[in-house]
Amino acid sequence: EVQLVQSGAEVKKPGESLRISCKGSGNSFPNYWITWVRQMPGKGLEWIGMVDPRDSYTNYSPSFQGHVIISADKSISTAYLQWSSLKTSDTAIYYCARHTYYGSGSQFRFDPWGQGTMVTVSS
Amino acid sequence: QSALTQPPSVSGAPGQRVTISCTGSSSNIGAGYDVHWYQQLPGTAPKVLIFGNSYRPSGVPDRFSGSKSGTSAYLAITGLQAEDEADYYCQSYDSRPVFGGGTKLTVL
Repeated sequence: EVQLVQSGAEVKKPGESLRISCKGSGNSFPNYWITWVRQMPGKGLEWIGMVDPRDSYTNYSPSFQGHVIISADKSISTAYLQWSSLKTSDTAIYYCARHTYYGSGSQFRFDPWGQGTMVTVSS
Repeated sequence: QSALTQPPSVSGAPGQRVTISCTGSSSNIGAGYDVHWYQQLPGTAPKVLIFGNSYRPSGVPDRFSGSKSGTSAYLAITGLQAEDEADYYCQSYDSRPVFGGGTKLTVL
């Protein structure tokens, strides 16, 4: 069974940089896109963007483009979400999830999900 | 403003049936993109409940069912149980993946 294990909770100050990770089990990791999702305190799910671990191609939501960077290292089955300058509004739980294709292979669901990484940004 | 609209909350007594709607538009659900439903129990990560509009992953009870019609999708839960109390999100595609705002299910 594929699992995604995320790095631990982080507490940072505004303006600091941060990179969180999402490690997949098994050797099939490079074959599946990984998505990142934000959940602000008490709020819903927001799609941030996705990465293809095979070639590190990325696609971002316009809402997050330019503020975060998504990357992947297929050699260690790990995807990353990083910030160069955090804001207090980045305080949230961040989830990674794998794109699992089904049917004819043209559509996908998010399955499985990582356990989430809580990021707290406070002065 | 989510591209997919869900009621903020629904409630029902144990044993009852509840339905959660997910209303989209001609650029997402109405364009033929499938709808998936995720259940998020308190303090946990979301997990897929229904995919491809109406398919249940193994392990999901058949009390949960999904359907799609036009620009809307629906999640139905029959025989409501206390452990069904959670947040439910629909998700589809609209030039990129999009989520509904989420619906909090309260079991009375």
